[in-house]
Amino acid sequence: DAGITQSPRYKITETGRQVTLMCHQTWSHSYMFWYRQDLGHGLRLIYYSAAADITDKGEVPDGYVVSRSKTENFPLTLESATRSQTSVYFCASIASGALNTGELFFGEGSRLTVL
Amino acid sequence: RKEVEQDPGPFNVPEGATVAFNCTYSNSASQSFFWYRQDCRKEPKLLMSVYSSGNEDGRFTAQLNRASQYISLLIRDSKLSDSATYLCVVSSTGGGNKLTFGTGTQLKVEL
Repeated sequence: DAGITQSPRYKITETGRQVTLMCHQTWSHSYMFWYRQDLGHGLRLIYYSAAADITDKGEVPDGYVVSRSKTENFPLTLESATRSQTSVYFCASIASGALNTGELFFGEGSRLTVL
Repeated sequence: RKEVEQDPGPFNVPEGATVAFNCTYSNSASQSFFWYRQDCRKEPKLLMSVYSSGNEDGRFTAQLNRASQYISLLIRDSKLSDSATYLCVVSSTGGGNKLTFGTGTQLKVEL
């Protein structure tokens, strides 16, 4: 099916473990984003990518790593998970020609709990 | 001070009521403005853009006041299905990489 999908949807892990959240989109959108959403903070940008092999930091990048070897995939890795990284993570995409519309397309979210 | 600020609510209103939310932004260089809607435990979705002259989409009216740096969303004839969190979003460059989200205002429409 076309769209943007995230996996896993739910994940429980322990402090210190590595976790990778996957994001896949079928539209060939050039821009992709990772946000985290926490109560009282709203959506905060972790990393974004303007194209394959181009990534840049957002507002809260510490503790996260991203890569974008293919246009359609944008995985987010927590190298050593901490409890403060317990959150809902949203991946989003937008075509470069649609930037001014502000219409990001979001995945359904990945709920991560770090014990 | 947060870049984008919203009253978290909740706003509890009866069906058929008119309700308005405001949002203030701190960056005077902000160029584009949007309202997103987020249902409980779901992903955010674009509701409407906000234009300088104000704009309407059915029961929804969005307005921008650049001088006072605030954006508003008015919902007329509220429906139960309007219950959601409304996110104010500001872009400083007009590009997706600079979208800043407010924390959202929760609306509950009741019978």
